[in-house]
Amino acid sequence: QKEVEQNSGPLSVPEGAIASLNCTYSDRGSQSFFWYRQYSGKSPELIMFIYSNGDKEDGRFTAQLNKASQYVSLLIRDSQPSDSATYLCAVKANSGGSNYKLTFGKGTLLTVNP
Amino acid sequence: ETGVTQTPRHLVMGMTNKKSLKCEQHLGHNAMYWYKQSAKKPLELMFVYNFKEQTENNSVPSRFSPECPNSSHLFLHLHTLQPEDSALYLCASSQPGLETQYFGPGTRLLVL
Repeated sequence: QKEVEQNSGPLSVPEGAIASLNCTYSDRGSQSFFWYRQYSGKSPELIMFIYSNGDKEDGRFTAQLNKASQYVSLLIRDSQPSDSATYLCAVKANSGGSNYKLTFGKGTLLTVNP
Repeated sequence: ETGVTQTPRHLVMGMTNKKSLKCEQHLGHNAMYWYKQSAKKPLELMFVYNFKEQTENNSVPSRFSPECPNSSHLFLHLHTLQPEDSALYLCASSQPGLETQYFGPGTRLLVL
């Protein structure tokens, strides 16, 4: 069974610090990786996606992918209280009949303290 | 919010009721999804429709019945639900080949 694992947290960081969110996945053939942010009582919203090994930066957010270690992370620089939310890692299943299927982790709750 | 809308936003129903959830996307996408989100559990994929055809049924009980009349609309018909079906039901859409899924605001369902 394909799995996506995240530390449920809560992860607590002070305002202005770097928040590091981690995710591991079991399907070695996975090809696409997504980070979603979900505020309490709201639906998930896409932050970033990454396909290739290495880093991908978008503003204060950096996604890092290491396929050999089956590991993907999200770094949030200069964390703000408004970043406080649950962050969901999602992995696209490998081909076959699951071409459109994403497997989600349980999410990590991030709290940024003023 | 994204270009995906869902109604109703909140629903309370008894176990003998029949109700329907509606999803509409204004993004020109051709794939639509139903997910269930329960407390302390990962998002669970329920159904996938691609160009109005169901391509995935993730072993969902028959008391949940999806309908996709066109690429912009998706329904989830509910009947004889159980209290454990109480959850947030999320609709999403994507463009095949681009993979990124965009979520609607969800319907918070409570089954009494």
